[in-house]
Amino acid sequence: GNSVTQMEGPVTLSEEAFLTINCTYTATGYPSLFWYVQYPGEGLQLLLKATKADDKGSNKGFEATYRKETTSFHLEKGSVQVSDSAVYFCALSDRTGGGNKLTFGTGTQLKVEL
Amino acid sequence: DAGVIQSPRHEVTEMGQEVTLRCKPISGHNSLFWYRQTMMRGLELLIYFNNNVPIDDSGMPEDRFSAKMPNASFSTLKIQPSEPRDSAVYFCASSFDGQPQHFGDGTRLSIL
Repeated sequence: GNSVTQMEGPVTLSEEAFLTINCTYTATGYPSLFWYVQYPGEGLQLLLKATKADDKGSNKGFEATYRKETTSFHLEKGSVQVSDSAVYFCALSDRTGGGNKLTFGTGTQLKVEL
Repeated sequence: DAGVIQSPRHEVTEMGQEVTLRCKPISGHNSLFWYRQTMMRGLELLIYFNNNVPIDDSGMPEDRFSAKMPNASFSTLKIQPSEPRDSAVYFCASSFDGQPQHFGDGTRLSIL
């Protein structure tokens, strides 16, 4: 079956530091890949996505590249801010059944300090 | 545009009581998903519907849980009878034709 593995948190960084959150996946076929972000007390929000190999998703300074050869979709940001503190979820989609079923990783908490 | 709307935002009840969680998906979306989030188990998919039809309910923990989608604009998740281990945040999400899912803000459920 499908699975997503994320690095465990919490990840604690100083403001303006470089961020990498690792994500690897196992899937049949060619899934789409996503990063979602969850701020305290809120639901998950789509941060970025990539639908095929070598695609780069980007949003709000965050980037991730769909690497089929390494089955990875690592999230990066060059300079984090305190406001980026949240939980980040890597996910892949499965179109089985006509829907868009997502398989999520366990989430990685990011804490950014001044 | 209105997002996915869940109600109530918070629910506190005693064990044994029936709990009903409600979800209004984004208008025009044809897939709806119910998730449960806990510290121990993370984010779990309970059930999802496509065009109001349940497609995969393999994540529903046991017969005490049931979900319905009587029309394209409304879904319920019921727990009867409720137990303390059901305490969690329950999220509803919707999507259209394979596009990314949009999540509601969740219902925080506490069973005493």
